Amino acid sequence: QKEVEQNSGPLSVPEGAIASLNCTYSDRGSQSFFWYRQYSGKSPELIMFIYSNGDKEDGRFTAQLNKASQYVSLLIRDSQPSDSATYLCAVKRDPGRRALTFGSGTRLQVQP
Amino acid sequence: GAVVSQHPSWVICKSGTSVKIECRSLDFQATTMFWYRQFPKQSLMLMATSNEGSKATYEQGVEKDKFLINHASLTLSTLTVTSAHPEDSSFYICSARDLAGGTYEQYFGPGTRLTVT
Repeated sequence: QKEVEQNSGPLSVPEGAIASLNCTYSDRGSQSFFWYRQYSGKSPELIMFIYSNGDKEDGRFTAQLNKASQYVSLLIRDSQPSDSATYLCAVKRDPGRRALTFGSGTRLQVQP
Repeated sequence: GAVVSQHPSWVICKSGTSVKIECRSLDFQATTMFWYRQFPKQSLMLMATSNEGSKATYEQGVEKDKFLINHASLTLSTLTVTSAHPEDSSFYICSARDLAGGTYEQYFGPGTRLTVT
C-alpha cells in the first residue's frame, strides 16, 4: 500500500464545473496535509494546507479533511482551463519528520 | 512570498561526469532543505534532507556517495551527482523551510532538469 494514494486520472471537467480531487493516506499519525499544483515541466506550487478535520476554503478552492477516514480532498469551484494541471497531495507524517510524502498526483483537464 | 532558486535550470552532461546543482533561499533562512527527484509522469520522491552545518539524511535506496549534499550556509544547499549515468536523468527539485516560519510550509525551487547522455 502506498503511503499517499491518488487516482492518476485524467479527471476531465467542463469549464465552470466543480472539480473534486481525492487523496487517502495510510499513516494515522499524519498531522498536516497539503495540496500542490504542478504544471508540466514546472515545480509544485502550494495551493492549500489543512491541519484540522473539516473544511478550509480559500477562494475557489476548498480542502476537506477527515482524519477518521484518512481522507483529504480538494474541491475547485468554477473550474477554468488554466486549472488544468497535475494536483499533488502531500502529507507530513509526524513531528519528527519534516519532509513531505507526496502522492503520485491527479491530472486535471478542464475543457473550455 | 519566500523564493527559492535553483541553478542551473537544465543541464546536459556526458555519462561519467559530475554535475552540481545549487539551491538557494533568496529572502529567508533555511536550516533545512529537501532534495526531491521526479521522473516523467511520476510523483516527487524525497532523496535526502539537508541540514545546515551537519550531514544530510538520505532516504532508503539513495546512494549518499553518489548524491553528495552540502548545506554550508542557511541559504545554500548543493547536490552533486557524481559519475552520472543515463538513469540519473530526471527533474531534481529542492525545497526549503523558512526558519522563522510558523507553518509547515515548504517553498519549492523551480527545478533542474538533468539529462545524461
